Formats: sequence, structure tokens, C-alpha cells
Amino acid sequence: GNSVTQMEGPVTLSEEAFLTINCTYTATGYPSLFWYVQYPGEGLQLLLKATKADDKGSNKGFEATYRKETTSFHLEKGSVQVSDSAVYFCALVRNSGYSTLTFGKGTMLLVSP
Amino acid sequence: GAGVSQSPRYKVAKRGQDVALRCDPISGHVSLFWYQQALGQGPEFLTYFQNEAQLDKSGLPSDRFFAERPEGSVSTLKIQRTQQEDSAVYLCASSPPPQEAGANVLTFGAGSRLTVL
Repeated sequence: GNSVTQMEGPVTLSEEAFLTINCTYTATGYPSLFWYVQYPGEGLQLLLKATKADDKGSNKGFEATYRKETTSFHLEKGSVQVSDSAVYFCALVRNSGYSTLTFGKGTMLLVSP
Repeated sequence: GAGVSQSPRYKVAKRGQDVALRCDPISGHVSLFWYQQALGQGPEFLTYFQNEAQLDKSGLPSDRFFAERPEGSVSTLKIQRTQQEDSAVYLCASSPPPQEAGANVLTFGAGSRLTVL
């Protein structure tokens, strides 16, 4: 079956530090990959996505590259801000039929001034 | 509407009570999903509707859980005889039809947090 594994948090960084949150997946076929973000008290929001191998998704300074050979989709940002503090979820969906997302457990990011 | 709306945002129930959670999806989104998010965990799939048809209910944890979408728009997730292990945030999401562009991008509501005492 499909599964997503992401690094445990919390990840604690100072403002302007470099961020990496690791995500690896197991899936049949060729899924699409996503990062969702959940700010305190809010719903999940799509951050970025990639639909095929070697695609790079990017948004708000975050980026992730779909690596088929390592089955990974690590999230990176060169310089984090306090406002980036949130829980980040890696997810995948099969590319046929309807879109049942499979999520990782989430990684909390805490950025201090 | 502009987004996915869920109500109530917070619900406290005594063990054994029945609860109903409402989801109002984005207008025109025929696909609707319910997810359960336990504390500290990622969301887990419960059920999927395409219009009024419930095409997948494989994630419903027991027969105490029931979902409906009678007119293909608003959906209700009902939990009968609630148990403490039902405490979680229940998320609703909607998306365009499977054959349309953007179909694999789900828009989530803020969720309904259920606490069973």
C-alpha cells in the first residue's frame, strides 16, 4: 500500500536559518507528491506539489524536488521566518481515479526571532 | 462559497452521545472527502463522495460512523454512540471532478474538533 514517512519534530530554528524537512514515500505506480501546511487554528493549505519525477514544486520560498530514484520529496527553504512556524505534512496521491491523499504524520516547525 | 466551511468548529460530547458534523464544500466541487486527524498524527481518509454517491467508505473505522451527501452538496458525518477514541479533528475537503484540471488538489476546511468525555 501507499505510505509516507517524514522526519519527526519539532524542528526548532532561528530566523533566517536553512530548513530541510525530510520526506520519503512508498507507492505503487507514479504518484503525485504534495506538501501541505497547517497554521495554528487553521485548515490544511496546499504549499506546493510535483506530479512527476524530477519536477520541482515551489511556493513562498519553499521548494521540493520529486526524486523517483530515492523515493523522496524533501522540503527546503533557504531562510525561514517566524511566520513559517506551523505543522508541515508530506502527502501523495495516486494519479488515477479520485484523489485519496495519504499523509505523513506531520513535522512541527518552530522558528524563533 | 469561497472555501470549505465546517461546523461546529468544536464539539464536546459525553460518551454514548450521537454527533453530527457538517461540511459545506466549494460550489461546483463534485468530489468531497472526509478525513480524521488524531492528535499529533496526519489526517487519515474516511470516505469519499462524487456528487451524492458515496464511492468509497473504506476508511470508516466502524459501523458507528455514517456519512451522507443527499443532494450532492452539503455533507454530514454522523457518529453514533461516541467513544473516547473518536476524539479527533474531522476534516472535510473538496475538489473538482476527477477528469478536470486540479482534481488532485484538495481544498480543506478548518475542521471540527470533537472531544468525547
